[in-house]
Amino acid sequence: GAGVSQSPRYKVAKRGQDVALRCDPISGHVSLFWYQQALGQGPEFLTYFQNEAQLDKSGLPSDRFFAERPEGSVSTLKIQRTQQEDSAVYLCASSLKTGGSSNQPQHFGDGTRLSIL
Amino acid sequence: DQQVKQNSPSLSVQEGRISILNCDYTNSMFDYFLWYKKYPAEGPTFLISISSIKDKNEDGRFTVFLNKSAKHLSLHIVPSQPGDSAVYFCAASSYSGAGSYQLTFGKGTKLSVIP
Repeated sequence: GAGVSQSPRYKVAKRGQDVALRCDPISGHVSLFWYQQALGQGPEFLTYFQNEAQLDKSGLPSDRFFAERPEGSVSTLKIQRTQQEDSAVYLCASSLKTGGSSNQPQHFGDGTRLSIL
Repeated sequence: DQQVKQNSPSLSVQEGRISILNCDYTNSMFDYFLWYKKYPAEGPTFLISISSIKDKNEDGRFTVFLNKSAKHLSLHIVPSQPGDSAVYFCAASSYSGAGSYQLTFGKGTKLSVIP
């Protein structure tokens, strides 16, 4: 596709349930990022993949958060035993070069709005 | 502690006039700065960027200025159009030390261009 695609667009889950969010980056993009955006805030970095390798997971808030990109294209962000504070918009971004690179923009999908009841 | 600050939550400008959005940062390791535009229920869209080795970058109606000594950047939109109404995020890039260039975002400024 032409842009970054995320699904589902909206997800409602009960506290304690597991959820999985999908990201399909721009074709050929090496770098893939996940961000979390709380209401009224800017996006905050969660994790980074270079192809299939997860090189940076320093932003993941707890061990309940897990991300994978097994074939170096589509990525899944999984949240186990969800809690109310996990409610946010989860954004995926991709960029062409390794590391995201300085001097290279990241291109974002429309996000998944997650609501935990 | 916020490393990227957008101190104006909102800004209203008359159509045809200049819009100036401001951003301050504290981390001197930031070496690349970006502005993103966001409409409701959509993801941020890349608008314009500037490297830390430059002080100005222009793209059509959009110009970004960087003042490194003041750790300040601004986005100028001239002339402003109603379609420019959106939330604008300032973002800064730095090497994480773990293999990636992370973006650190401000909280955004909501621009309203009045016809």
